[in-house]
Amino acid sequence: QSALTQPPSVSGSPGQSVTISCTGTSSDVGSYDRVSWYQQPPGTAPKLMIYEVSNRPSGVPDRFSGSKSGNTASLTISGLQAEDEADYYCSSYTSGSLWVFGTGTKVTVL
Amino acid sequence: QVQLVQSGAEVKKPGASVKVSCKASGYTFTSHGMHWVRQAPGQRLEWLAWINVGNDNTKYSQKFQGRVTITRDTSASTAYMELSSLRYEDTAVYYCARVYGWGGLDYWGQGTLVIVSS
Repeated sequence: QSALTQPPSVSGSPGQSVTISCTGTSSDVGSYDRVSWYQQPPGTAPKLMIYEVSNRPSGVPDRFSGSKSGNTASLTISGLQAEDEADYYCSSYTSGSLWVFGTGTKVTVL
Repeated sequence: QVQLVQSGAEVKKPGASVKVSCKASGYTFTSHGMHWVRQAPGQRLEWLAWINVGNDNTKYSQKFQGRVTITRDTSASTAYMELSSLRYEDTAVYYCARVYGWGGLDYWGQGTLVIVSS
């Protein structure tokens, strides 16, 4: 049950788009459409941004979108804003009814 | 409104156990599962376990199997996480979080800081 792999950091200027990858295996991301994404500003609890690969909870801006191809899921933030600066984590269901989080990505708005 | 309110910070000695509570309100407690997640200082989120609150079925991370126990009291709308044989590296903030759909965690408790120190 190893952590999903994310890039340590991504950055972009306001208005640009950034994409965060989340690479797993055929036992987790590749086999189930149960990938979620969370935003965590410093010192706060995580906030659900995407669930079931590409669904947005109510209240989450449509600038945030999710997708999946094979063993890799992705979160794209379009029209980057200063308030988007935070740590982002992916999570996936795995075989055996278990769950795993990603290694986390720090998004910096330049 | 949905709220998850966790118990307060704890300081424990190595080898001891800690039990964290998570009281739910604002929704039907038995209609949503509950996950437990922890975050050591400066580290990533780490999944510990989840409980199907409706039927009491539980699943545990292999890393914590045998040391962590998740329970719930439906009459009190409260879930519990007990971690035993504490080690220094168990120092972390422990969160409970409600399940939405297939695994999305839509509401989180405020977190409980557990410090393991001699």
